Amino acid sequence: DAGVIQSPRHEVTEMGQEVTLRCKPISGHNSLFWYRQTMMRGLELLIYFNNNVPIDDSGMPEDRFSAKMPNASFSTLKIQPSEPRDSAVYFCASRRTGVAYEQYFGPGTRLTVT
Amino acid sequence: GESVGLHLPTLSVQEGDNSIINCAYSNSASDYFIWYKQESGKGPQFIIDIRSNMDKRQGQRVTVLLNKTVKHLSLQIAATQPGDSAVYFCAENMGDSSYKLIFGSGTRLLVRP
Repeated sequence: DAGVIQSPRHEVTEMGQEVTLRCKPISGHNSLFWYRQTMMRGLELLIYFNNNVPIDDSGMPEDRFSAKMPNASFSTLKIQPSEPRDSAVYFCASRRTGVAYEQYFGPGTRLTVT
Repeated sequence: GESVGLHLPTLSVQEGDNSIINCAYSNSASDYFIWYKQESGKGPQFIIDIRSNMDKRQGQRVTVLLNKTVKHLSLQIAATQPGDSAVYFCAENMGDSSYKLIFGSGTRLLVRP
């Protein structure tokens, strides 16, 4: 199993630009989570999907952030326009319903907004 | 990926010694807890979990203890090895029907050779 796949691994962009982060969950997993990790705030849940449907987006910072899951094998997190305070590591995780609460994390995308 | 950095509490142990990492949680309704390990440049990795109807669970070289009375969770690592150096996070569920996990701030474990 390839595990959760995220791309790109590193992204450097200028303030005001649109940023799109991508995630491919583990095959057969039907819940997908987007997290943001910073030194100041630790690991924060942004949004999660169950069977491709957004269930809870209360962690999304503001309207500049949006997430989609068009099918069971792909999700995107978009920031438009990006700001320096969005600099963080963004993780995607997936889990299989019925197997406790264990989530499998991807390697993360390090985003730097200058 | 990268773990939270410089302001984490740090536990330094000698290789071969046992390590104990502690975590306090706040939600009395939480009924499921997980320990994750995050190495530099990687995402968090599942280590072991425990349900609230248990007070102890053992894995390979790791033991998790749960004290619901004082809302305390600990991770014990036996015969700590250099490869155990990482940041360790505890996480709890919400105790509701959601699948959300709430993560603690983490503890950095440094293993001295």
